[in-house]
Amino acid sequence: EIVLTQSPVTLSLSPGESATLSCRASQSVSSYLAWYQQRPGQAPRLLIYDASNRATGVPARFSGSGSGTDFTLTISSLEPEDFAVYYCQQRSDWPRTFGQGTKVEVK
Amino acid sequence: QVQLQESGPGLVKPSETLSLTCTVSGVSISGGSYYWTWIRQPPGKGLEWMGYIYYSGNTNYNPSLKSRVTISVDTSKNQFSLKLRSVTTADTAVYYCARAPILYSYGYIDYWGQGTLVTVSS
Repeated sequence: EIVLTQSPVTLSLSPGESATLSCRASQSVSSYLAWYQQRPGQAPRLLIYDASNRATGVPARFSGSGSGTDFTLTISSLEPEDFAVYYCQQRSDWPRTFGQGTKVEVK
Repeated sequence: QVQLQESGPGLVKPSETLSLTCTVSGVSISGGSYYWTWIRQPPGKGLEWMGYIYYSGNTNYNPSLKSRVTISVDTSKNQFSLKLRSVTTADTAVYYCARAPILYSYGYIDYWGQGTLVTVSS
């Protein structure tokens, strides 16, 4: 099973600042990695697929990069609605697996 | 508008079987462009992909659950279901039904149900 390790666990930032979230895979997943946002009490929402492609309706301030084992989600200027938990997920191998999440909280 | 809605008991006793149904609206399960998926999330924890089913009945299960889980589909009702046998308190979680489209090679989720909390307790 591919293990995805996210860092940091918690990111404390102010609105308007940029956020950089990391996801590292225990083995190469090529570019087969997605990022989801989960707000409290809600289901996750797909933001980025295949490492760098924004899903439909996702604002341009969200961007993804990386390949192989190291990936990054960048939020260029945090809006109030962006404070949430973010998960990475790989589709390179079965079972599909998720990282443990990074919480972006208001500083 | 695509919607997925989980239904089933919110409380299950240890050693019994957890049973949930997902009713899909706005798209036909028989359309063939999606894998229909169950994902769970223990309170305050991360996400676990449990397994999926294709409209034809083909399934794939997470090896960590394979001996206890069954996913089935009823295309006439546009529903798919989850059964998890021999539950323990570790199976307490929010259970989501979800859709994985061919657009993403069936590997990512584009629509989720709202989730239903199932508590395992005597």
